Amino acid sequence: EIVMTQSPATLSVSPGERATLSCRASQSVSSNFAWYQQKPGLAPRLLIYGASTRATGIPARFSGSGSGTEFTLTISSLQSEDFAVYYCQQYNNWPPWTFGQGTKVEIK
Amino acid sequence: QVQLQESGPGLVKPSETLSLTCTVSGGSVSSGSYFWTWIRQPPGKGLEWIGYIYNSGSTNYNPSLKSRVTISVDTSKNQFSLKLSSVTAADTAVYYCARDGGYTGYFDLWGRGTLVTVSS
Repeated sequence: EIVMTQSPATLSVSPGERATLSCRASQSVSSNFAWYQQKPGLAPRLLIYGASTRATGIPARFSGSGSGTEFTLTISSLQSEDFAVYYCQQYNNWPPWTFGQGTKVEIK
Repeated sequence: QVQLQESGPGLVKPSETLSLTCTVSGGSVSSGSYFWTWIRQPPGKGLEWIGYIYNSGSTNYNPSLKSRVTISVDTSKNQFSLKLSSVTAADTAVYYCARDGGYTGYFDLWGRGTLVTVSS
């Protein structure tokens, strides 16, 4: 099973600032990698797939990069609606597809 | 557009079987090339992939749950279902049904989720 490790667990950022979230895979997942955003009480929403492709309707301030074992999600200028928990996921090796434990982006 | 909606009991007793259904609206569970999937999230914790069904009957399960999980499809009702046997408190979670992006493995469509509590 591929283990996905996200850092940091919590990120405190002021509105308008840049946020950088990291995810590391225990072995290479190529670019078969996704990011999700989850707000309290709601289902996760797909942000990024293929490591760097924005899903339909996702604003350009969200960008993904990386391949192999190291991945980054950057939010260029945090808006109030971006404060949430973010999860990474690998879909290169299964079963099982696996998720990271999440990074909470909170208001500084 | 396609929507997913989970339904089923919110409370299950320990050692019993959890049963949930996902109703697909605005599309067909038997059309297209999709993995119809169940994912769960214990309160305050991360996401765990449970398994999927595709091609109207083929399945794949998380090895950690495989001995207790069955996913099935009812094309006449446009639904797919999850059964998890011998549940314990550790199975308490929000259960989501989801659809992947087309034999891809990432999930672009989710239900709203349903909380299932395992307690006597």
